[in-house]
Amino acid sequence: GQQLNQSPQSMFIQEGEDVSMNCTSSSIFNTWLWYKQEPGEGPVLLIALYKAGELTSNGRLTAQFGITRKDSFLNISASIPSDVGIYFCAGQGDTNAGKSTFGDGTTLTVKP
Amino acid sequence: DVKVTQSSRYLVKRTGEKVFLECVQDMDHENMFWYRQDPGLGLRLIYFSYDVKMKEKGDIPEGYSVSREKKERFSLILESASTNQTSMYLCASRRPVIVTGELFFGEGSRLTVL
Repeated sequence: GQQLNQSPQSMFIQEGEDVSMNCTSSSIFNTWLWYKQEPGEGPVLLIALYKAGELTSNGRLTAQFGITRKDSFLNISASIPSDVGIYFCAGQGDTNAGKSTFGDGTTLTVKP
Repeated sequence: DVKVTQSSRYLVKRTGEKVFLECVQDMDHENMFWYRQDPGLGLRLIYFSYDVKMKEKGDIPEGYSVSREKKERFSLILESASTNQTSMYLCASRRPVIVTGELFFGEGSRLTVL
């Protein structure tokens, strides 16, 4: 199946620092989605990107759909303790009947 | 408020037992999915269903089956549980992909097979 490489695998940062994570793929996707999973919960959508080159913000979060359609990044500015969790990227294409392919996740720890 | 409900948060079963994981959504979504989550491996798709009575294998269907008799309910079945099926199982639902890509997830069912 399609593979997504998500990095970094984990991050330990101080409160107030900025965070950057990214996903790359060997395949083209039509949609990139970023999810956050908090402990004991299912993932929840943060940002969805539908066009190559698109840059979208949601509060302190900014995500971009790479121009090649094979990559995406997520930035979190001025991190706070409640940003703790696992962040997943997911790519979705017209092939494979619109199934989402997920990255392995980035585990974020924020020290107060 | 939209909701995907998984019947059991925690289950402990013995090797060889038949296990049912139930998932119900109240959003009238056509598509439903079962994922397995293991540390460092992300979310891997087991089975999905486009609509009632329809099912498609995902990336890791071996050892699992599914049932979708009603639109709101998607069940994952482990015919004979094995220890390597110890994992977190996540159910999700979605409108058809031409409408939106967003998946709505349940809280997960953590299964331990002894």
